[in-house]
Amino acid sequence: DQQVKQNSPSLSVQEGRISILNCDYTNSMFDYFLWYKKYPAEGPTFLISISSIKDKNEDGRFTVFLNKSAKHLSLHIVPSQPGDSAVYFCVETSGSRLTFGEGTQLTVNP
Amino acid sequence: DTGVSQDPRHKITKRGQNVTFRCDPISEHNRLYWYRQTLGQGPEFLTYFQNEAQLEKSRLLSDRFSAERPKGSFSTLEIQRTEQGDSAMYLCASSSLAAWYTGELFFGEGSRLTVL
Repeated sequence: DQQVKQNSPSLSVQEGRISILNCDYTNSMFDYFLWYKKYPAEGPTFLISISSIKDKNEDGRFTVFLNKSAKHLSLHIVPSQPGDSAVYFCVETSGSRLTFGEGTQLTVNP
Repeated sequence: DTGVSQDPRHKITKRGQNVTFRCDPISEHNRLYWYRQTLGQGPEFLTYFQNEAQLEKSRLLSDRFSAERPKGSFSTLEIQRTEQGDSAMYLCASSSLAAWYTGELFFGEGSRLTVL
């Protein structure tokens, strides 16, 4: 039973435009949601997080929005850059384990 | 120390053989985690250690799998009698005690296992 769902396996945007990656979840008893980024042949790297008591967190070009009533999370990247091309994972943490979504491949075209 | 290192990066083995992977975490990190990632999926939790104590194991960790962290530093993950379904990327991660709650882990590049 998938607790974190990323329904879009891929997304393609033009450089300079906004990228919006979406995630739905089922577990209401979480501590944090995070986004991890993964380049080919590398391990995932932490990008940004949001705690369960907030609805928005911003870090430079990256903003994460949390809608608890809809059980929906989104990551906005603006402006998008070609170096942002990677797989993005939506991740839930409760306790000591992370639960990853399936990932969305973002491609930013020059 | 620049990060989490894993060895080997790629292992090809025949079904029924045993394999062992090693992970060296960031030196000051108390917590060490093992995850498994198959094609098209996100990483799945296998187990974690705090210092040398193995505190949690996933139901994915069958009795053919054993993980150790004998001195609270490096860790090994052994798979006995490998099966083709064991083919995956095995990821190791570490975190400090302060960061584990927020989920900020540092991952290695992974060890890819191919079982023929």
